[in-house]
Amino acid sequence: RKEVEQDPGPFNVPEGATVAFNCTYSNSASQSFFWYRQDCRKEPKLLMSVYSSGNEDGRFTAQLNRASQYISLLIRDSKLSDSATYLCVVISMDSNYQLIWGAGTKLIIKP
Amino acid sequence: EPEVTQTPSHQVTQMGQEVILRCVPISNHLYFYWYRQILGQKVEFLVSFYNNEISEKSEIFDDQFSVERPDGSNFTLKIRSTKLEDSAMYFCASSEAEQFNSPLHFGNGTRLTVT
Repeated sequence: RKEVEQDPGPFNVPEGATVAFNCTYSNSASQSFFWYRQDCRKEPKLLMSVYSSGNEDGRFTAQLNRASQYISLLIRDSKLSDSATYLCVVISMDSNYQLIWGAGTKLIIKP
Repeated sequence: EPEVTQTPSHQVTQMGQEVILRCVPISNHLYFYWYRQILGQKVEFLVSFYNNEISEKSEIFDDQFSVERPDGSNFTLKIRSTKLEDSAMYFCASSEAEQFNSPLHFGNGTRLTVT
């Protein structure tokens, strides 16, 4: 089983809709979780950290479910500019605190 | 906002040649990293660097690769005797503290094409 798994998509979503996707991780000792956004052929950019209590930043909400070992990202009122690949990143002590990257979920927002 | 800068943005080299990819991390950051991403594939960790020495490296980071911080600002990745499969985007990143405590800031990347 891969350490970090994501549905590659693409998710084709109309502008203004709400979209959510998950990321599962295999290592129960994972400690830190992040969502990065990557535009085509550009560098990954931190979107948000994921806290145990869940966190919200504008239209974006991230949640952590430790029991089921997944994190989620919810995007409300999606914009055309949200089109990107969303990368899940997990850090655990077992991996010497290296970032373990998911392969990403591609999101396409259509007008 | 301070940025990580990388040069060149695109490097084309012939197989067997040596290349040096350059990075200027954010000035108050202490931890430095190189990642690569082969087109269409996931981001892969190469190496982390702290206190003027390698702290972690992946299986990818073999004897062909080396890193150096030659002065107080630059952080370089050298690839000796490049192979076709080294063609990828190479991202430099830096962070204030260890990566589980502090987010990574990435540079724009250098696209390396080995022909």
